Amino acid sequence: DTGVSQDPRHKITKRGQNVTFRCDPISEHNRLYWYRQTLGQGPEFLTYFQNEAQLEKSRLLSDRFSAERPKGSFSTLEIQRTEQGDSAMYLCASSLVNLRYTDTQYFGPGTRLTVL
Amino acid sequence: GNSVTQMEGPVTLSEEAFLTINCTYTATGYPSIFWYVQYPGEGLQLLLKATKADDKGSNKGFEATYRKETTSFHLEKGSVQVSDSAVYFCALRKGSGGSNYKLTFGKGTLLTVNP
Repeated sequence: DTGVSQDPRHKITKRGQNVTFRCDPISEHNRLYWYRQTLGQGPEFLTYFQNEAQLEKSRLLSDRFSAERPKGSFSTLEIQRTEQGDSAMYLCASSLVNLRYTDTQYFGPGTRLTVL
Repeated sequence: GNSVTQMEGPVTLSEEAFLTINCTYTATGYPSIFWYVQYPGEGLQLLLKATKADDKGSNKGFEATYRKETTSFHLEKGSVQVSDSAVYFCALRKGSGGSNYKLTFGKGTLLTVNP
């Protein structure tokens, strides 16, 4: 078990460009979460998946943001037409949830996005 | 909605001092409560948790007790080390039975421990 991994760790882009981040959860985990953390703040929930189904999206997730988890394993988060306000750390977490047991969310190292 | 209020930082202590970081929450139902720690340049790591009232979570010398009557989950450590320097986040998760297991975080408290 190598934990949750995210790629890339850092991304610098120009305003208006599209970016895509990848998250690989812990292998047996069926839930995957995306959070955003801005400087001096705690992480804020963006969206989550149960297997391949996206079950909830925060109002923070504008139309420029899209997330997928096509086979219920890794997930991607794409931001189209990036804005300077999108600069943040994007965190991925995963957990194992079933009818009788709700596990802890384990976080990846994050992808730091800087929009110039 | 759910919210978490943490003690404002930064907190600076000398090695072996006693640490308290306050955390209070507002939530419906019976949330689970967590402390996460973020070391410089790293992701969040779970430090400890409690799932019901009067539960005490403990790990690495840190402790916190879930007090439903005061809606609090204060973090304590009797003797801090330089290696404890990090940002500490209090978080809650809506209780089981709902379809939403997202975490709601406080703003974080930066702790610096000097030798």
